[in-house]
Amino acid sequence: AQTVTQSQPEMSVQEAETVTLSCTYDTSESDYYLFWYKQPPSRQMILVIRQEAYKQQNATENRFSVNFQKAAKSFSLKISDSQLGDAAMYFCARSMDSNYQLIWGAGTKLIIKP
Amino acid sequence: DAGVIQSPRHEVTEMGQEVTLRCKPISGHNSLFWYRQTMMRGLELLIYFNNNVPIDDSGMPEDRFSAKMPNASFSTLKIQPSEPRDSAVYFCASSLAGIYGYTFGSGTRLTVV
Repeated sequence: AQTVTQSQPEMSVQEAETVTLSCTYDTSESDYYLFWYKQPPSRQMILVIRQEAYKQQNATENRFSVNFQKAAKSFSLKISDSQLGDAAMYFCARSMDSNYQLIWGAGTKLIIKP
Repeated sequence: DAGVIQSPRHEVTEMGQEVTLRCKPISGHNSLFWYRQTMMRGLELLIYFNNNVPIDDSGMPEDRFSAKMPNASFSTLKIQPSEPRDSAVYFCASSLAGIYGYTFGSGTRLTVV
C-alpha cells in the first residue's frame, strides 16, 4: 500500500524553540517528490518545502529544513526559531510517479506556546 | 499570477438545492484537482483532470457530484441535489505535472442546512 504516515497528531513547542515533525512513507518507486504543506486557521494550503528524492542534499527554506532519509523512507520537517505564525496543521505528501496525484498524510497540528 | 481562484468563498444552501463551485487554475498548469476536507475524513481527492480531461473520478462520492473542465482556465464542481453531509471545505488545486507540488485555491466552505 502506498501510504504517508504522520505519527504525531499534535505537537507543541515554545516560541523561539525548534520542533521536528515526522513523516514516513511507503513506496516502491525510486524517483519521487516529497512536500510539506502548512494550513493555518485561514485554511489556505501553503507549500512550505519540496524535496526531490534523487537529491541527497536536504532542502532548506529559511527557518524550515528537512531531514530526508531515503533508505528509511523518512522525511521530517524541522522548524527553527518557532514563531506564533507557524501555528498550523502541517501535511506531508508524496508524489506518485504513475500519475499526477499526491498521497497525503493525516496532518500534525502544531501549537506554538508564547 | 493571481494564483488559483475559487468562488464562492462561502456557500450556505438548503438541502436539495444545486450547488456549483468554480475554479480558475494557474495559467500554464496542466493538472487540476478537486479535494474535499472534513474533520472526520481529512483531505479527500474527488477528481482530477490532466489537460482538461478527467483522469480519475473514483473519489467522487456518488452520482450527485459532477465536475467539468471545459477549457484550461476553468473548472466547476456541481452537487445536485445537495445534502447536509456534503458540508465541507472544497479545494481546487492546480499543478504542472505534479513534480512541483500543487498550488491550492483558498477553498469554498459549503454548508448545507
